[in-house]
Amino acid sequence: DSGVTQTPKHLITATGQRVTLRCSPRSGDLSVYWYQQSLDQGLQFLIQYYNGEERAKGNILERFSAQQFPDLHSELNLSSLELGDSALYFCASSVRGITSGTYNEQFFGPGTRLTVL
Amino acid sequence: AQRVTQPEKLLSVFKGAPVELKCNYSYSGSPELFWYVQYSRQRLQLLLRHISRESIKGFTADLNKGETSFHLKKPFAQEEDSAMYYCALIRIQTGANNLFFGTGTRLTVIP
Repeated sequence: DSGVTQTPKHLITATGQRVTLRCSPRSGDLSVYWYQQSLDQGLQFLIQYYNGEERAKGNILERFSAQQFPDLHSELNLSSLELGDSALYFCASSVRGITSGTYNEQFFGPGTRLTVL
Repeated sequence: AQRVTQPEKLLSVFKGAPVELKCNYSYSGSPELFWYVQYSRQRLQLLLRHISRESIKGFTADLNKGETSFHLKKPFAQEEDSAMYYCALIRIQTGANNLFFGTGTRLTVIP
C-alpha cells in the first residue's frame, strides 16, 4: 500500500499513561500533518512537519509532542493521558508543506483510535 | 481567526431528491475552500475544491464571498452518497497548508 499508513489501528490505555502513534507518509511526500477527531471538537489540526522540521502548530496540548524522522515517518507522543484525549488521530501527508498560492493536497491515513479508560 | 461552520450534524434525504449541505466560514483574508468526504470504512478524501469549479460525482459547490458560504449541492441524491461530509479551508495568504475543518454533516440517503 503506497498510501498513508498509521499504526496501531486501536489503542486502549489508562489515564496517566503515555502512548506513541506512528505514521508513514505516501511515497514521495515530505510533509506530515496530525489531526485529532473528537466527538465534541470535530477534526482539529495539531501539528505539521516538513522534511524533519516543524512547520506549523495548531491546537496541540503541551502534553503532546511529535517528530518527523529522516526516513520521513512521524510519531505523535501523547503523555499524561486524560479521559478527554480519547479520540481518532489522523495523519495526512502532502508533497510540499506550503500552499505556494494554492492548496497542496493532503492524503489521509486510516486513523488510530485511542481510548483512555 | 478562521472558523468553519456546518450547522447540520445530520441530514437525511430520499434517493432522487436534491441535497444541500451547508457550510459557512469566517476568515478575514482569502481562503481556499474544500469539501472532504468520508465513506463508511474508508479514508477521508478530497471531494472538491472551490478553485477547480468542477462537478465531482454530481456534486457542485460555489464560493459565495458575500455570504461567506460554500454549500455543497447535488440535484439527485444517490444511496452511495451516504457519508460524512466536512467543509474545510486553508489560509492561502499565510502560506500554511493545514486544514481547518467544520464539525461535519452526516448525510443519509434513504432508498
